[in-house]
Amino acid sequence: DAGVTQSPTHLIKTRGQQVTLRCSPKSGHDTVSWYQQALGQGPQFIFQYYEEEERQRGNFPDRFSGHQFPNYSSELNVNALLLGDSALYLCASSTGPGNTIYFGEGSWLTVV
Amino acid sequence: AQTVTQSQPEMSVQEAETVTLSCTYDTSESDYYLFWYKQPPSRQMILVIRQEAYKQQNATENRFSVNFQKAAKSFSLKISDSQLGDAAMYFCAYRTYTSGTYKYIFGTGTRLKVLA
Repeated sequence: DAGVTQSPTHLIKTRGQQVTLRCSPKSGHDTVSWYQQALGQGPQFIFQYYEEEERQRGNFPDRFSGHQFPNYSSELNVNALLLGDSALYLCASSTGPGNTIYFGEGSWLTVV
Repeated sequence: AQTVTQSQPEMSVQEAETVTLSCTYDTSESDYYLFWYKQPPSRQMILVIRQEAYKQQNATENRFSVNFQKAAKSFSLKISDSQLGDAAMYFCAYRTYTSGTYKYIFGTGTRLKVLA
């Protein structure tokens, strides 16, 4: 039973570029949430996807956008990258928006 | 707005001993869930234990247990018989319901060191 899988594991981008991170939820899960974890901090909620719609959004600018596909997988896109976007991006899935979330191993983004 | 506070940036415990990690939160909601997650150096967040606010009985999972004090808005994690593999960052989290869906609010974490 595969858990939450994320790709890529690590990547380096230049300021101003765009990045796409991918997430496949745990088998049987239909809801995906994205979190940003800066170094030394706890995860911060970015947004949640359920039924291919963004259900709620945290305090992140419109440069952060996402998508959920019919197979429940999800993408996180960040445009016009800033140095401050350097962080671990965690994907979490659950069986519905109201249930316990389970995390993937994250994608570590470095912006230079 | 809900907040989660972990006032211990770092804790140490001898192997086989017991340690308690503290967490306080602020909310006006009456029904909610609280969680402890463990994040080892591999960076994957692993669910340790969860507590439903309407249940007065403290949750227990093997060597891990919580002391949930709803009136005091306190949610501490006790690790008994500490093992080297328990060394990690521990995050306390509060699940809130807003605008038709749920999100988790995390504290800043406590780094636990286990001494052999």
